[in-house]
Amino acid sequence: AQSVTQPDIHITVSEGASLELRCNYSYGATPYLFWYVQSPGQGLQLLLKYFSGDTLVQGIKGFEAEFKRSQSSFNLRKPSVHWSDAAEYFCAVGARSSNTGKLIFGQGTTLQVKP
Amino acid sequence: EAGVAQSPRYKIIEKRQSVAFWCNPISGHATLYWYQQILGQGPKLLIQFQNNGVVDDSQLPKDRFSAERLKGVDSTLKIQPAKLEDSAVYLCASSPGGKETQYFGPGTRLLVL
Repeated sequence: AQSVTQPDIHITVSEGASLELRCNYSYGATPYLFWYVQSPGQGLQLLLKYFSGDTLVQGIKGFEAEFKRSQSSFNLRKPSVHWSDAAEYFCAVGARSSNTGKLIFGQGTTLQVKP
Repeated sequence: EAGVAQSPRYKIIEKRQSVAFWCNPISGHATLYWYQQILGQGPKLLIQFQNNGVVDDSQLPKDRFSAERLKGVDSTLKIQPAKLEDSAVYLCASSPGGKETQYFGPGTRLLVL
């Protein structure tokens, strides 16, 4: 069965510290992947996406993610976290062979930033 | 460019009542999605439209949920009758089509008492 796992439900980091949010997927087809961020009361905003090519992708707000096929992972990183990064982060996976664009989302990781 | 619009933003109803949500996608986007996001979980796809046709409604509880997208633009999602477990945020998203990026609206937060 297709699934996306974000192992960390809640993460707390200090402002200025580095951040890594984990995403693992189980997918029968070649995947394409997204990271979205959701602030309280808001919809989801795209941070970055990977379809093919360079496995290290850059996104908005200083975020980057690396696709590792051998580990079935697509972890999100940021070298220095800002207080405004506190939000919920979702990893999502789709099948490149599909024409529908259907995505499966992980359960999310809530990021808290300490001053 | 205007984003995805949804209304209402909040709705409180009692169980067994009916409710409807409205979504206006980004202009020109052929594909429209409705997701259900239960507290503490990621969004789950309920139904996907391509223009005004249904592409995927495999996870839509069809005994109580219905959706339409007349004229391939706006869409409405209805629940009748509502159950307590329908309390969630209902997100609408649109994309140009295929595997293009999905853009999300702010969502409608539903509380069923």
